Amino acid sequence: EAAVTQSPRSKVAVTGGKVTLSCHQTNNHDYMYWYRQDTGHGLRLIHYSYVADSTEKGDIPDGYKASRPSQENFSLILELASLSQTAVYFCASRVQGANTEVFFGKGTRLTVV
Amino acid sequence: AQSVTQPDARVTVSEGASLQLRCKYSYFGTPYLFWYVQYPRQGLQLLLKYYPGDPVVQGVNGFEAEFSKSNSSFHLRKASVHWSDWAVYFCAVSMDTGGLSGKLTFGEGTQVTVIS
Repeated sequence: EAAVTQSPRSKVAVTGGKVTLSCHQTNNHDYMYWYRQDTGHGLRLIHYSYVADSTEKGDIPDGYKASRPSQENFSLILELASLSQTAVYFCASRVQGANTEVFFGKGTRLTVV
Repeated sequence: AQSVTQPDARVTVSEGASLQLRCKYSYFGTPYLFWYVQYPRQGLQLLLKYYPGDPVVQGVNGFEAEFSKSNSSFHLRKASVHWSDWAVYFCAVSMDTGGLSGKLTFGEGTQVTVIS
């Protein structure tokens, strides 16, 4: 079973502070993704990466940065956290290929106060 | 741009009864479609996926879905619901033709509540 581990699982951050969400996968997958989920909404793509040391913007990248220092690790960085960034964040990974299964982590619940 | 709509935010079903969750998509071309399930405090798990071919797709745990190009729909069904099916269900479409990027557009989700 593919494993995607997120840390922390929950976090309370102060408005204007810096937040880093971490994701680690042991699947040897090339592709990694960061999604956010808001109550009553589906997931929306923030950033993704095809290969280490390279990241791409998703549908809602504003206010977020991403970092992929190795194949296994993919971080999401909020340089200046805002109230509107309160959400649940999911990391995911998949192997290269057409429509291969995407494996999700359990999510990080971020509350910005 | 592609989009997915799940018109039912919440569905309540009795244990043992049948279940249908609706999904409508908007996509130029032939879509690649997915249903994911999210159990409480868990990540999303794949239930089933549709690639162009047989319109009825079988998934895990007795779930199946039917693709209809004429109706732009991909409805999920289960003949007999179990209490363990209490979860949020998401319909999703691949953002790009061929699905090489793996990027998905999700619907809003349907919360399924199972009652005895």
